Amino acid sequence: NAGVTQTPKFQVLKTGQSMTLQCAQDMNHEYMSWYRQDPGMGLRLIHYSVGAGITDQGEVPNGYNVSRSTTEDFPLRLLSAAPSQTSVYFCASRGPPTNEKLFFGSGTQLSVL
Amino acid sequence: GENVEQHPSTLSVQEGDSAVIKCTYSDSASNYFPWYKQELGKGPQLIIDIRSNVGEKKDQRIAVTLNKTAKHFSLHITETQPEDSAVYFCAASIWDKLVFGAGTILRVKS
Repeated sequence: NAGVTQTPKFQVLKTGQSMTLQCAQDMNHEYMSWYRQDPGMGLRLIHYSVGAGITDQGEVPNGYNVSRSTTEDFPLRLLSAAPSQTSVYFCASRGPPTNEKLFFGSGTQLSVL
Repeated sequence: GENVEQHPSTLSVQEGDSAVIKCTYSDSASNYFPWYKQELGKGPQLIIDIRSNVGEKKDQRIAVTLNKTAKHFSLHITETQPEDSAVYFCAASIWDKLVFGAGTILRVKS
């Protein structure tokens, strides 16, 4: 059981480039979410999904797209990276039997120059 | 939307002392209040949680209290150990959204 797997661990982009952060979980969790972590601001919810085919916006969705075509995968897309998107990104999932307990991946550290 | 404030931002204690971290939330509809611990280079991990119909919950050296009227909840760690050093986040859940506080850096000095 790998839990929540995020790739890549580190990424450097130039302003305007696009990329996809990958997230996969093997716990058959219906709920998945993306957070960004910035110093002094905690974890802020970007997008979340309650099941395949269903996504919704969190607190800071601008500049990010998501899709959920399978239960296992929840990729986060940056269409045109900006320096303000420099952050550490965490994917998290939850589901039975622990239900509300979020399981986090190990994070992706993204720098946009 | 929900807003969670967390204090203090940093906390240093001597090994064996107690540590208390406090959070307030804004939306009275929030009904689930977890605490997460994050070690360096890792994702946060749940350490304890409490629901709105419970006033206090304890798990060994860790306890959480909730005051719904005042809309605040606290994390208490007794007999702190060096391995308790980490960043701690409180959170409040409303529907499918979990809103986090800004975090507290806890340093336990041996």
